[in-house]
Amino acid sequence: DAKTTQPPSMDCAEGRAANLPCNHSTISGNEYVYWYRQIHSQGPQYIIHGLKNNETNEMASLIITEDRKSSTLILPHATLRDTAVYYCIVRVRTDKLIFGTGTRLQVFP
Amino acid sequence: DADVTQTPRNRITKTGKRIMLECSQTKGHDRMYWYRQDPGLGLRLIYYSFDVKDINKGEISDGYSVSRQAQAKFSLSLESAIPNQTALYFCATSGNRGEIGELFFGEGSRLTVL
Repeated sequence: DAKTTQPPSMDCAEGRAANLPCNHSTISGNEYVYWYRQIHSQGPQYIIHGLKNNETNEMASLIITEDRKSSTLILPHATLRDTAVYYCIVRVRTDKLIFGTGTRLQVFP
Repeated sequence: DADVTQTPRNRITKTGKRIMLECSQTKGHDRMYWYRQDPGLGLRLIYYSFDVKDINKGEISDGYSVSRQAQAKFSLSLESAIPNQTALYFCATSGNRGEIGELFFGEGSRLTVL
């Protein structure tokens, strides 16, 4: 399984874009990149996923580099409610998801 | 009502006791999972089931067993609980056949083993 590397913590000012990086240099051609977040001790929440192309939905954008060895999750206008732990996961689409330790994002006023 | 319901939400028990955590879902999904989370750590997969007759071990299955009683129900058992099984447990479901982009999680069951 491809492993991911994320910074343990990041800060972001409210209203600014939060850019969360993830390295996955050993990713295989059929492995997707998923992002989840966990607020306090709630169940993790799905954000977005992608394979090669950049993706955008109502929550965030996912930018995957051309060589697919890294990606960035972008929250365009961070709010205090976006304070959470963000998990980047790489996995074959039909298989189970394995979570790492994630990035703790703190959004401050 | 929640789509994925876990019971109990909180439980304190003693070493050696048998504990069952239950999960039920109304999403009609075939796939169900049990994860464990320790303080400050990510989630670790205990067991998963892709349909009623399919049960698979995850990363940390030792000391745990599961039962898929129906499509909508997936139970996790600790036959003889020990203190290092104190953790927050999550059940999750995902879409059917070839679509695993989105996991839906329950609210968690906090277990304390004294």
